[in-house]
Amino acid sequence: DQQVKQNSPSLSVQEGRISILNCDYTNSMFDYFLWYKKYPAEGPTFLISISSIKDKNEDGRFTVFLNKSAKHLSLHIVPSQPGDSAVYFCAAPKEGSGNTGKLIFGQGTTLQVKP
Amino acid sequence: GAGVSQSPSNKVTEKGKDVELRCDPISGHTALYWYRQSLGQGLEFLIYFQGNSAPDKSGLPSDRFSAERTGGSVSTLTIQRTQQEDSAVYLCASSKIPTVGEKLFFGSGTQLSVL
Repeated sequence: DQQVKQNSPSLSVQEGRISILNCDYTNSMFDYFLWYKKYPAEGPTFLISISSIKDKNEDGRFTVFLNKSAKHLSLHIVPSQPGDSAVYFCAAPKEGSGNTGKLIFGQGTTLQVKP
Repeated sequence: GAGVSQSPSNKVTEKGKDVELRCDPISGHTALYWYRQSLGQGLEFLIYFQGNSAPDKSGLPSDRFSAERTGGSVSTLTIQRTQQEDSAVYLCASSKIPTVGEKLFFGSGTQLSVL
């Protein structure tokens, strides 16, 4: 049962344009969401997060939007840069995990930003 | 160290052999997690250590998998009688405190290939 889903395995955008990465979830009890970025041969690194009490969180070029009714979140990168080319994972805390970093990850979306 | 260190970076083994994977977390981080990423999949939680508490083993896929954390620092993940389906990237992460909003810092992982 895939509780966090990223249905687009890949996305290609032109440098300077907006990148929109999508994530859907099935468990309405999820109350916190995170995005991690992963370069080849490296571990994932934290990018941005959002609590379910908000519908938007912004950090520089990165903005995450949360639509609780649709159980959907998206990551917007504006403007996109070639260095943003990586695999992006959305994640949510495992239900019943308490106050820990036990996460459920989506399958990831590979973003390619073309110069 | 400056980051989470994992060794070896690559491990090739024969089916049925035992393997040990090592993780050295960031100094001072009390929480330590093991995840694995199979080809084309998201990260899957395996086990979680917090201080001197008993580990949370709820994500371990079978009793062939075990892990220990000595002295609240270095951790070893052991897979006994390896199977081909164990082939994956095994990632270790640590965080200062075990809280939902706390960033996880990942190592570069160990690529395990079971022939």
